Amino acid sequence: IAGITQAPTSQILAAGRRMTLRCTQDMRHNAMYWYRQDLGLGLRLIHYSNTAGTTGKGEVPDGYSVSRANTDDFPLTLASAVPSQTSVYFCASSASDSGGYTFGSGTRLTVV
Amino acid sequence: GQNIDQPTEMTATEGAIVQINCTYQTSGFNGLFWYQQHAGEAPTFLSYNVLDGLEEKGRFSSFLSRSKGYSYLLLKELQMKDSASYLCAVRDSNYQLIWGAGTKLIIKP
Repeated sequence: IAGITQAPTSQILAAGRRMTLRCTQDMRHNAMYWYRQDLGLGLRLIHYSNTAGTTGKGEVPDGYSVSRANTDDFPLTLASAVPSQTSVYFCASSASDSGGYTFGSGTRLTVV
Repeated sequence: GQNIDQPTEMTATEGAIVQINCTYQTSGFNGLFWYQQHAGEAPTFLSYNVLDGLEEKGRFSSFLSRSKGYSYLLLKELQMKDSASYLCAVRDSNYQLIWGAGTKLIIKP
């Protein structure tokens, strides 16, 4: 692993199904983030975690949940997927309050 | 509310210079970032400005004026591989990044 790894790369999901998007980093960054990116809207923050054991809500948290049991992993769960959750999801991390964000390669999710 | 504005799309010619502008209104300011994102890929870090002035890094430069809530990214000697979206983001008083929708840059031969 080098940087941030997201899985799966893409997924087609039936509406109403539960889905967990995985994110793992090996940089020992304290802060991690989940974004969704939709055409014309830019990156929107779903949830974030400033350090292991803590999480917070971003701009568009409804329908999503996260956990941060350790420094490396930050999974995002859709409890009951809806078509409006069709998007590209990016996980990112940063070292505390300094520096920029490092992004994973993204998960392209289609809810049908 | 918080707002980041940048042009939706720009077109430039290979070998030329292009300036991508970004204006922002945020609750607090703790730095401004520029990221490059090629189609279908993740954003990658280009530059960071926290003080007024110009930061130069090779063919790319970024300028910041905090009093005007304004930044620009300057790309020189454009290459076809520079065709991408360029994202402006501001870190607010809560140290969260507020993102612009991005500027799609099209390079023509």
